[in-house]
Amino acid sequence: GENVEQHPSTLSVQEGDSAVIKCTYSDSASNYFPWYKQELGKRPQLIIDIRSNVGEKKDQRIAVTLNKTAKHFSLHITETQPEDSAVYFCAASINNNDMRFGAGTRLTVKP
Amino acid sequence: KAGVTQTPRYLIKTRGQQVTLSCSPISGHRSVSWYQQTPGQGLQFLFEYFSETQRNKGNFPGRFSGRQFSNSRSEMNVSTLELGDSALYLCASRQGADYGYTFGSGTRLTVV
Repeated sequence: GENVEQHPSTLSVQEGDSAVIKCTYSDSASNYFPWYKQELGKRPQLIIDIRSNVGEKKDQRIAVTLNKTAKHFSLHITETQPEDSAVYFCAASINNNDMRFGAGTRLTVKP
Repeated sequence: KAGVTQTPRYLIKTRGQQVTLSCSPISGHRSVSWYQQTPGQGLQFLFEYFSETQRNKGNFPGRFSGRQFSNSRSEMNVSTLELGDSALYLCASRQGADYGYTFGSGTRLTVV
């Protein structure tokens, strides 16, 4: 099955700086890549997703890039704010089936 | 529109017992997936159901099982509980193949 690796496991940035989280996947057939944000004590929530026919997608301060050849995708958060502090999970799946998650990145934004 | 509902929210069981967790997906969502979340292991895929059929299964022992009913509600069962089964069990549903998952709040299972 699909194997997703996520780096770094922890990330600390100053408010206003950018944060980048990277993931790699193993199955070249994977074609759907969502990112989830999980605040402390809450459920994971979908924040952005990208499909394999697109190289980049943006939504306000967040963006995701995908490199199918290298089998890696990244989450970019610009102008970080304290409320961005959470655990972020990347995931990969084939046609949105059997979704496998990365181990998570704990992002801390220091005011 | 109601979200994904999981019951119960908290559960304490003794080693060796069995437990059943319930998940009601968002109305109209036919796909339901279950995940185990532990601090050290992240989100581990258990299984996925679509139209009452198990479509995929993760790498968990046979003690973990599930089912889906005709109204898309799903249950998962864990038999012969072990201490290591203590975790947050999350259910997620989606509208279709081109949509992301919506997670429930989870059931926190503690095995003592």
